[in-house]
Amino acid sequence: DQQVKQNSPSLSVQEGRISILNCDYTNSMFDYFLWYKKYPAEGPTFLISISSIKDKNEDGRFTVFLNKSAKHLSLHIVPSQPGDSAVYFCAAINQAGTALIFGKGTTLSVSS
Amino acid sequence: EAGVTQFPSHSVIEKGQTVTLRCDPISGHDNLYWYRRVMGKEIKFLLHFVKESKQDESGMPNNRFLAERTGGTYSTLKVQPAELEDSGVYFCASSPYSLAGGVADTQYFGPGTRLTVL
Repeated sequence: DQQVKQNSPSLSVQEGRISILNCDYTNSMFDYFLWYKKYPAEGPTFLISISSIKDKNEDGRFTVFLNKSAKHLSLHIVPSQPGDSAVYFCAAINQAGTALIFGKGTTLSVSS
Repeated sequence: EAGVTQFPSHSVIEKGQTVTLRCDPISGHDNLYWYRRVMGKEIKFLLHFVKESKQDESGMPNNRFLAERTGGTYSTLKVQPAELEDSGVYFCASSPYSLAGGVADTQYFGPGTRLTVL
Protein backbone atom coordinates (compact mmCIF):
# COMPACT_ATOMS: atom_id res chain seq x y z
CA ASP A 1 0.00 0.00 0.00
CA GLN A 2 1.44 3.34 -1.06
CA GLN A 3 2.39 5.58 1.83
CA VAL A 4 3.39 8.55 -0.32
CA LYS A 5 1.05 9.51 -3.14
CA GLN A 6 1.41 11.87 -6.05
CA ASN A 7 -1.94 11.73 -7.74
CA SER A 8 -1.11 13.91 -10.73
CA PRO A 9 1.11 12.06 -13.20
CA SER A 10 1.75 15.20 -15.22
CA LEU A 11 1.52 18.99 -15.13
CA SER A 12 1.99 21.53 -17.92
CA VAL A 13 2.80 25.16 -17.16
CA GLN A 14 3.87 28.18 -19.15
CA GLU A 15 7.22 29.77 -18.54
CA GLY A 16 7.06 32.46 -15.89
CA ARG A 17 3.96 31.06 -14.21
CA ILE A 18 3.74 29.12 -10.96
CA SER A 19 4.03 25.33 -10.87
CA ILE A 20 2.36 23.57 -7.94
CA LEU A 21 3.11 19.90 -7.39
CA ASN A 22 1.15 18.04 -4.75
CA CYS A 23 1.90 15.09 -2.51
CA ASP A 24 -0.12 13.25 0.13
CA TYR A 25 1.06 10.78 2.72
CA THR A 26 -0.72 8.31 4.95
CA ASN A 27 1.62 7.78 7.89
CA SER A 28 1.32 10.55 10.48
CA MET A 29 4.60 9.40 12.03
CA PHE A 30 6.62 10.65 9.06
CA ASP A 31 8.56 13.70 10.15
CA TYR A 32 10.88 14.59 7.29
CA PHE A 33 9.97 15.11 3.66
CA LEU A 34 11.97 15.76 0.53
CA TRP A 35 11.49 16.63 -3.11
CA TYR A 36 13.75 15.18 -5.75
CA LYS A 37 14.04 16.17 -9.39
CA LYS A 38 14.91 13.70 -12.11
CA TYR A 39 15.97 14.25 -15.70
CA PRO A 40 15.86 11.39 -18.24
CA ALA A 41 18.75 8.91 -17.97
CA GLU A 42 19.91 10.50 -14.71
CA GLY A 43 19.35 9.64 -11.09
CA PRO A 44 17.14 11.74 -8.80
CA THR A 45 18.79 14.84 -7.37
CA PHE A 46 17.81 16.47 -4.12
CA LEU A 47 15.84 19.68 -4.45
CA ILE A 48 14.42 20.78 -1.12
CA SER A 49 13.29 19.30 2.18
CA ILE A 50 11.09 20.12 5.14
CA SER A 51 10.91 18.91 8.69
CA SER A 52 7.54 18.30 10.33
CA ILE A 53 8.26 21.04 12.86
CA LYS A 54 7.96 23.58 10.06
CA ASP A 55 5.15 24.40 7.68
CA LYS A 56 7.24 26.11 5.02
CA ASN A 57 10.75 26.00 3.63
CA GLU A 58 12.03 28.22 0.87
CA ASP A 59 15.08 28.00 -1.38
CA GLY A 60 15.21 30.49 -4.21
CA ARG A 61 12.39 29.78 -6.65
CA PHE A 62 11.37 26.64 -4.76
CA THR A 63 9.09 26.58 -1.73
CA VAL A 64 7.71 23.52 0.02
CA PHE A 65 4.61 23.77 2.19
CA LEU A 66 3.60 21.15 4.74
CA ASN A 67 0.09 20.72 6.17
CA LYS A 68 0.43 18.04 8.82
CA SER A 69 -3.24 17.90 9.73
CA ALA A 70 -4.10 17.17 6.10
CA LYS A 71 -1.01 14.98 5.59
CA HIS A 72 -0.28 17.03 2.51
CA LEU A 73 2.71 18.82 1.09
CA SER A 74 3.22 20.84 -2.01
CA LEU A 75 6.14 22.19 -4.01
CA HIS A 76 5.80 25.62 -5.55
CA ILE A 77 8.13 26.76 -8.32
CA VAL A 78 7.98 30.47 -9.09
CA PRO A 79 8.68 31.53 -11.76
CA SER A 80 8.77 28.29 -13.73
CA GLN A 81 11.49 27.91 -16.35
CA PRO A 82 11.85 25.47 -19.27
CA GLY A 83 14.85 23.90 -17.50
CA ASP A 84 12.52 22.89 -14.68
CA SER A 85 10.91 20.33 -16.99
CA ALA A 86 11.60 16.99 -15.27
CA VAL A 87 9.99 14.34 -13.11
CA TYR A 88 9.49 15.46 -9.51
CA PHE A 89 9.37 12.91 -6.74
CA CYS A 90 8.02 13.49 -3.28
CA ALA A 91 9.65 11.33 -0.57
CA ALA A 92 9.50 10.74 3.16
CA ILE A 93 12.05 9.19 5.49
CA ASN A 94 10.65 5.97 6.91
CA GLN A 95 10.11 5.62 10.64
CA ALA A 96 13.21 3.49 11.10
CA GLY A 97 15.31 6.18 9.46
CA THR A 98 16.76 3.67 7.03
CA ALA A 99 15.13 4.46 3.70
CA LEU A 100 13.30 6.97 1.58
CA ILE A 101 9.71 6.23 0.61
CA PHE A 102 8.91 7.77 -2.74
CA GLY A 103 5.76 8.70 -4.60
CA LYS A 104 5.25 7.77 -8.27
CA GLY A 105 6.41 11.15 -9.49
CA THR A 106 4.86 14.01 -11.44
CA THR A 107 6.21 14.98 -14.84
CA LEU A 108 6.41 18.76 -15.13
CA SER A 109 6.56 20.35 -18.57
CA VAL A 110 7.32 24.05 -18.76
CA SER A 111 6.74 25.59 -22.17
CA SER A 112 8.36 28.79 -23.38
CA GLU B 1 34.67 14.78 -7.10
CA ALA B 2 33.23 11.77 -8.95
CA GLY B 3 29.58 11.00 -8.32
CA VAL B 4 27.91 7.66 -7.80
CA THR B 5 28.54 5.43 -10.79
CA GLN B 6 26.62 2.36 -11.88
CA PHE B 7 27.45 -0.34 -14.36
CA PRO B 8 26.08 -1.36 -16.77
CA SER B 9 23.79 1.45 -17.80
CA HIS B 10 21.51 -0.99 -19.55
CA SER B 11 21.19 -4.78 -19.47
CA VAL B 12 18.91 -7.00 -21.53
CA ILE B 13 18.71 -10.65 -20.47
CA GLU B 14 16.49 -13.66 -20.94
CA LYS B 15 14.26 -14.94 -18.19
CA GLY B 16 16.18 -17.43 -16.07
CA GLN B 17 19.57 -15.84 -16.64
CA THR B 18 21.74 -14.15 -14.06
CA VAL B 19 22.65 -10.48 -13.96
CA THR B 20 24.99 -8.57 -11.68
CA LEU B 21 24.68 -4.83 -11.23
CA ARG B 22 27.50 -2.80 -9.80
CA CYS B 23 27.52 0.46 -7.86
CA ASP B 24 30.51 2.57 -6.95
CA PRO B 25 29.56 5.10 -4.28
CA ILE B 26 31.20 8.43 -3.67
CA SER B 27 34.51 7.85 -1.94
CA GLY B 28 34.19 7.98 1.83
CA HIS B 29 30.43 7.42 1.92
CA ASP B 30 29.69 4.70 4.45
CA ASN B 31 25.99 4.49 3.59
CA LEU B 32 24.93 2.81 0.38
CA TYR B 33 21.34 2.23 -0.74
CA TRP B 34 19.74 0.27 -3.55
CA TYR B 35 16.36 1.29 -4.97
CA ARG B 36 14.28 0.09 -7.90
CA ARG B 37 11.73 1.77 -10.10
CA VAL B 38 9.40 -0.41 -12.11
CA MET B 39 7.90 1.37 -15.13
CA GLY B 40 5.52 4.14 -14.08
CA LYS B 41 5.62 3.26 -10.42
CA GLU B 42 7.33 4.67 -7.37
CA ILE B 43 11.01 4.31 -6.59
CA LYS B 44 11.14 1.52 -4.02
CA PHE B 45 13.79 0.90 -1.40
CA LEU B 46 15.60 -2.43 -1.58
CA LEU B 47 18.35 -2.31 1.03
CA HIS B 48 20.83 -0.23 2.96
CA PHE B 49 24.47 -0.92 3.75
CA VAL B 50 26.56 0.78 6.39
CA LYS B 51 30.08 0.02 5.32
CA GLU B 52 30.00 -3.71 4.57
CA SER B 53 27.07 -4.53 6.85
CA LYS B 54 23.46 -4.81 5.75
CA GLN B 55 21.55 -2.38 7.93
CA ASP B 56 18.12 -2.94 6.43
CA GLU B 57 17.20 -5.36 3.68
CA SER B 58 13.46 -5.29 4.24
CA GLY B 59 12.80 -4.11 0.70
CA MET B 60 14.47 -7.02 -1.08
CA PRO B 61 11.69 -8.72 -3.10
CA ASN B 62 12.79 -12.34 -2.58
CA ASN B 63 15.81 -14.61 -2.27
CA ARG B 64 16.61 -14.33 -5.97
CA PHE B 65 18.22 -11.00 -5.10
CA LEU B 66 21.62 -10.95 -3.40
CA ALA B 67 23.48 -7.77 -2.50
CA GLU B 68 27.04 -7.55 -1.31
CA ARG B 69 29.44 -4.82 -0.33
CA THR B 70 32.75 -6.45 0.32
CA GLY B 71 35.27 -4.17 1.96
CA GLY B 72 32.71 -1.45 2.35
CA THR B 73 33.45 0.13 -1.01
CA TYR B 74 31.56 -0.85 -4.16
CA SER B 75 28.42 -2.94 -4.05
CA THR B 76 26.91 -5.55 -6.33
CA LEU B 77 23.31 -6.63 -6.72
CA LYS B 78 22.84 -10.05 -8.29
CA VAL B 79 19.54 -11.32 -9.62
CA GLN B 80 19.48 -15.09 -10.10
CA PRO B 81 17.43 -16.35 -11.84
CA ALA B 82 15.88 -13.24 -13.36
CA GLU B 83 12.11 -13.09 -13.89
CA LEU B 84 10.04 -10.79 -16.11
CA GLU B 85 8.84 -8.73 -13.14
CA ASP B 86 12.43 -7.83 -12.25
CA SER B 87 12.56 -5.41 -15.17
CA GLY B 88 13.00 -1.81 -14.13
CA VAL B 89 15.62 0.80 -13.31
CA TYR B 90 17.88 0.01 -10.38
CA PHE B 91 19.30 3.04 -8.59
CA CYS B 92 22.13 3.15 -6.16
CA ALA B 93 22.61 6.03 -3.74
CA SER B 94 25.28 6.87 -1.22
CA SER B 95 25.63 9.29 1.65
CA PRO B 96 28.08 10.10 4.40
CA TYR B 97 25.28 10.14 6.98
CA SER B 98 22.37 7.87 7.75
CA LEU B 99 18.81 9.01 7.21
CA ALA B 100 18.07 8.74 10.92
CA GLY B 101 19.45 12.19 11.44
CA GLY B 102 17.07 13.63 8.88
CA VAL B 103 19.83 14.70 6.55
CA ALA B 104 18.61 12.90 3.44
CA ASP B 105 19.59 15.86 1.32
CA THR B 106 23.06 14.40 1.32
CA GLN B 107 21.92 11.20 -0.37
CA TYR B 108 23.38 11.14 -3.88
CA PHE B 109 21.92 8.93 -6.58
CA GLY B 110 23.64 7.24 -9.48
CA PRO B 111 22.17 7.32 -13.00
CA GLY B 112 20.67 3.86 -12.63
CA THR B 113 20.87 0.56 -14.49
CA ARG B 114 17.94 -0.22 -16.75
CA LEU B 115 17.29 -3.95 -16.57
CA THR B 116 15.08 -5.59 -19.18
CA VAL B 117 14.15 -9.24 -18.72
CA LEU B 118 12.67 -10.87 -21.83
